[in-house]
Formats: sequence, structure tokens, C-alpha cells
Amino acid sequence: DAGVIQSPRHEVTEMGQEVTLRCKPISGHNSLFWYRQTMMRGLELLIYFNNNVPIDDSGMPEDRFSAKMPNASFSTLKIQPSEPRDSAVYFCASSLGQGALGYTFGSGTRLTIV
Amino acid sequence: EDKVVQSPLSLVVHEGDTVTLNCSYEVTNFRSLLWYKQEKKAPTFLFMLTSSGIEKKSGRLSSILDKKELFSILNITATQTGDSAIYLCAVPNAGNNRKLIWGLGTSLAVNP
Repeated sequence: DAGVIQSPRHEVTEMGQEVTLRCKPISGHNSLFWYRQTMMRGLELLIYFNNNVPIDDSGMPEDRFSAKMPNASFSTLKIQPSEPRDSAVYFCASSLGQGALGYTFGSGTRLTIV
Repeated sequence: EDKVVQSPLSLVVHEGDTVTLNCSYEVTNFRSLLWYKQEKKAPTFLFMLTSSGIEKKSGRLSSILDKKELFSILNITATQTGDSAIYLCAVPNAGNNRKLIWGLGTSLAVNP
């Protein structure tokens, strides 16, 4: 089992550019979560999908953020245009519908906007 | 509004010390409380607690829940440098068991 796979591991880009983060959940998991982690705010849930359908996007900070899950094995989080305050570690997690116990996190993408 | 508060925010100890990390919560329709350890990368699961007074134990780590006073503690005995990490506490959202409310974490540094 390869776990939850995220790419890229690190991304440094100039403000105003588009950023796309990618996630491959664990095969068979039917829920996928995008989190952002900063020192000041800790882990914040941005959006989550169940069976590829967005269920709750109330944590998406603003219209510059969008997420898609075109199939059960792939999701993207896009920021356009990016701003320095978007700098954070972005985690993807998946679960099998066992509630909170089944969460598995990816290794995260460290995003720096300069 | 549901919330989880951890204390202390950071802690520095020497190897061999015992530490106690705290997590208090306010959530409607409480179901469970989870502890995670985050080293350099992703949080990894430690314990899930659902019942008051029943200790969960894994090696030198143990945790207990008090549902009356709405808190949990995580104890680490005989600390080692490998215990250095951020310890996170989370509680499922009242309306959605898969959506977790997270504390800011306790950053533990164990010095040799």
C-alpha cells in the first residue's frame, strides 16, 4: 500500500502565478480531504469529497481556491492567482468511511509564494 | 462553535523526563477524541478515546479521557529524543464524523 501520494513535495512560485497541488488517495478510500497547516492557525480543513463529490467546501478561503476530484484516484487543489499569505503546508488525507479513525494523511506539499 | 484547545503550546524536556500534554474540547454531540503525532511530515494516528476513565496505552505513551470535564491528557514516560514532535488533538465535528476539529498542537522537544 503506497499510502496517500501528494505532489509536488515542495513548490516555490511567484505571487500571481497559478499553483496546482495533486493528490492520489489510498485505493478503495471513498473520502478525500484537503487541509492547510500554518503555525498560526494549525490544521484547517479546506474541502472534503465523498465518492468524488464535494460535500463541504466551507473552509475554502476565497474564490482563488478551487478543488476537483474527477475520479476516485485523483484530486487537485488549485490556487489562482496565488498570494504570499497562501504559503503553508497543504495536506491531503483519505479515509474509508470509518469516520475519523480511518484518516491517512499524505506527506504534504510545502508551498511558498514569494 | 466547536473548538479544541491544547496546552502547553510548546515544551522542552530532557531525555528520561515524563510529560503530560493537555487537550480540552467543546463540541456538541461528542463521539470521540483522537491524538496524532506529527514529526516532519504527516500526522500519524496514536489513540482514539471514546469512554471516560479508560486508559489507552502504547508503550511509553498513554492517554485518558474525562468526558465530564471535557478534556484528555497524553502522557509520555521516560521520554526519548525520538518523541520530539508536534502532538495534535482532534475531535469529530458534531454534524459529520469524518470532519475533524483540530487543536493547534503541542510542540515537544526532548533534549539528550
